[in-house]
Amino acid sequence: GQQLNQSPQSMFIQEGEDVSMNCTSSSIFNTWLWYKQDPGEGPVLLIALYKAGELTSNGRLTAQFGITRKDSFLNISASIPSDVGIYFCAGSTGANSKLTFGKGITLSVRP
Amino acid sequence: GAVVSQHPSRVICKSGTSVKIECRSLDFQATTMFWYRQFPKQSLMLMATSNEGSKATYEQGVEKDKFLINHASLTLSTLTVTSAHPEDSSFYICSAGTGGRYTFGSGTRLTVV
Repeated sequence: GQQLNQSPQSMFIQEGEDVSMNCTSSSIFNTWLWYKQDPGEGPVLLIALYKAGELTSNGRLTAQFGITRKDSFLNISASIPSDVGIYFCAGSTGANSKLTFGKGITLSVRP
Repeated sequence: GAVVSQHPSRVICKSGTSVKIECRSLDFQATTMFWYRQFPKQSLMLMATSNEGSKATYEQGVEKDKFLINHASLTLSTLTVTSAHPEDSSFYICSAGTGGRYTFGSGTRLTVV
């Protein structure tokens, strides 16, 4: 099935650094979501975006819904060790419609 | 708010037996629930979408007679893996959708021996 494009597969940063992740699609989505998954756990919602152009923050996290509705980015500022995990972007075409996921980016933070 | 409880978190079963996984929305009503399967180092793969009171919609390639989904109430959906085989071993995750937000359960690690 369709997937959102997330790359690279892995990112390695130093504690305290900022990091940006991008997610693109060939088709339009009306909702963009960013999730973090720790090993052996389900994904946890970080930020939800519902309007094109919307910029939303959640603590050190900031995400934007692209104007074209075909992309979104997530920024993490001043990274800390507990930011380690897999970050997935997901898109939806309508309320309670099925989600389309990216392949995820595994983030490693060096102390 | 928006908590989804999934049980069990881990289960080991013998080949040929059936296993039931429960997914409950604790503080909201979920008209739609989703069931995913996730292999190591891979993304979530949608298996089926279930709406309360109606038959589940399965994704292409997912055997509906093997993965039985029941969504009898607005707060409970179950996935039953029937006649499990070792290749069914995986991480199964449910999600409940409400108002455009999707909350995931903590997942079930199924091991078939």
